[in-house]
Amino acid sequence: NAGVTQTPKFRVLKTGQSMTLLCAQDMNHEYMYWYRQDPGMGLRLIHYSVGEGTTAKGEVPDGYNVSRLKKQNFLLGLESAAPSQTSVYFCASSLGSSQPQHFGDGTRLSIL
Amino acid sequence: LAKTTQPISMDSYEGQEVNITCSHNNIATNDYITWYQQFPSQGPRFIIQGYKTKVTNEVASLFIPADRKSSTLSLPRVSLSDTAVYYCLVGDPRGSTLGRLYFGRGTQLTVWP
Repeated sequence: NAGVTQTPKFRVLKTGQSMTLLCAQDMNHEYMYWYRQDPGMGLRLIHYSVGEGTTAKGEVPDGYNVSRLKKQNFLLGLESAAPSQTSVYFCASSLGSSQPQHFGDGTRLSIL
Repeated sequence: LAKTTQPISMDSYEGQEVNITCSHNNIATNDYITWYQQFPSQGPRFIIQGYKTKVTNEVASLFIPADRKSSTLSLPRVSLSDTAVYYCLVGDPRGSTLGRLYFGRGTQLTVWP
């Protein structure tokens, strides 16, 4: 059972480039989340989804877009990458809003 | 949303019991308290969740006083492998605060031999 899988694991971008981070879960969870983690900052919620076709903003949504076209996938997009978006990005999923979140192993993104 | 306050770091020795306290003075009536553990280069992992009094599972206990303004994660007889960052979260299970879940900086627990 793979759980939550994030692709890619590492990526280096130049300022202004775009890219999409993919999160896939095989647990049939309704809820999915994207976080970023910066040194000394803990995890901050970027966007989340409460079901297929739905998305909502978290604490730090600016500069990011998301899509949940299929229940098992949650995509995070950076349209024009900025150095301030250098971070480790974590995806998570949960069965319900009060259920424990299951996390992937993260995507390390560096923007030069 | 009830934000949380935890110690930045704690140290312990193998075999000791470790108690990490989280303060959440503005916790709402419907909020649950959840603790996660994170190792370097990994995503957080769920440890335990509770609403009031005491909850125990195979790895930890969670103590919540009657006023629910704080909670204590208790790790019995820690080992070197318990060295990690521990996060306390407070949130409404109905989902009304879902977009504002606050992980905070967590507590770095270091266990020494």
